[in-house]
Amino acid sequence: NAGVTQTPKFQVLKTGQSMTLQCAQDMNHNSMYWYRQDPGMGLRLIYYSASEGTTDKGEVPNGYNVSRLNKREFSLRLESAAPSQTSVYFCASSEYSRQPQHFGDGTRLSIL
Amino acid sequence: GESVGLHLPTLSVQEGDNSIINCAYSNSASDYFIWYKQESGKGPQFIIDIRSNMDKRQGQRVTVLLNKTVKHLSLQIAATQPGDSAVYFCAEKLKYIFGTGTRLKVLA
Repeated sequence: NAGVTQTPKFQVLKTGQSMTLQCAQDMNHNSMYWYRQDPGMGLRLIYYSASEGTTDKGEVPNGYNVSRLNKREFSLRLESAAPSQTSVYFCASSEYSRQPQHFGDGTRLSIL
Repeated sequence: GESVGLHLPTLSVQEGDNSIINCAYSNSASDYFIWYKQESGKGPQFIIDIRSNMDKRQGQRVTVLLNKTVKHLSLQIAATQPGDSAVYFCAEKLKYIFGTGTRLKVLA
């Protein structure tokens, strides 16, 4: 199925562990995004990549790093996981850098 | 639905009736808005967008109205169906998505 694919779907980490969330899209989109969604907070932008080779911080980038590996893939890394990073993470893409149009189904991450 | 807010405003609508979901924004310079639908356990899904040079835009069974004077958006769903049950929220460009959204419940 065409769209945005995120792996893994679920993950439990211990505080201090590192983890990379993977995201790939097969729509030849230029822009990709990472959001987190928390109860009572809605969706918040962590990082985005307007085009291959560029990345920019969003609203809540602290504690995260990203890599736009190629046009298809955009990964999110937690170097030292903290309980405050327990959330559902969504990757998204769009043809142009305006607003994401296609979202993955999320990675549910719990940090103990 | 466990990923969205625990205290979402909820709109309950009878199947077949029209639904109106509202959204307020604060930045008067905002020039582009999108409405999303999020079903339980899924990522947000693009529904319709509108630029600030428009007051109204129609899609299939959905209409978005933009009132720049009071900084207000609304999403109207005609002939609401059970498959419309979801959380709906609006967003502005690359910013975080407003609030926690509105949960639409369609009553049979």
